[in-house]
Amino acid sequence: KQEVTQIPAALSVPEGENLVLNCSFTDSAIYNLQWFRQDPGKGLTSLLLIQSSQREQTSGRLNASLDKSSGRSTLYIAASQPGDSATYLCASSSGNTPLVFGKGTRLSVIA
Amino acid sequence: ETGVTQTPRHLVMGMTNKKSLKCEQHLGHNAMYWYKQSAKKPLELMFVYSLEERVENNSVPSRFSPECPNSSHLFLHLHTLQPEDSALYLCASSQDQGTNIQYFGAGTRLSVL
Repeated sequence: KQEVTQIPAALSVPEGENLVLNCSFTDSAIYNLQWFRQDPGKGLTSLLLIQSSQREQTSGRLNASLDKSSGRSTLYIAASQPGDSATYLCASSSGNTPLVFGKGTRLSVIA
Repeated sequence: ETGVTQTPRHLVMGMTNKKSLKCEQHLGHNAMYWYKQSAKKPLELMFVYSLEERVENNSVPSRFSPECPNSSHLFLHLHTLQPEDSALYLCASSQDQGTNIQYFGAGTRLSVL
């Protein structure tokens, strides 16, 4: 059974800092991996999706990488801003099986 | 706006009440999902519908009853809930089941007294 772990559970950084959020998964036979953002009391917004054949995806200041062999993905946020404060969730998909989510990393960017 | 709308946004109910959560998507998607998000737990998948047929029931108690009358609407009927059922209930949709990006609604915050 796939398990997804996110470390750290919470992170606080000063504005402007570059940061990395970590996601690990136990079963490397994934189809894709997604990163989501969730603001307090709100639903999830998809940020990046990496197919199993890809190594990374970029969108603006966000870069997500995938290393299937080690069971790891990272989300890199460049030049962080207070508006980036949110909970970031990663989720893996193995074909037709449902998404398996981590518990998330709660990020606070301090102005 | 993700194109997935959930109502109501907040709901308080007693353990003997019957209520329903509604989810609507106009994205032309074929798959819809119900998730439960409790404090300090990962998102838990509850139900998956693909082309209006239930394809996944993730060992959810029978006090939660889903309904998908058409490809744009998904309901979650609630009855005789327990206080531990208090959570954020999220609906999502995707073009097809499993492999595509899922679009989430804002959720219904449910409190069971």
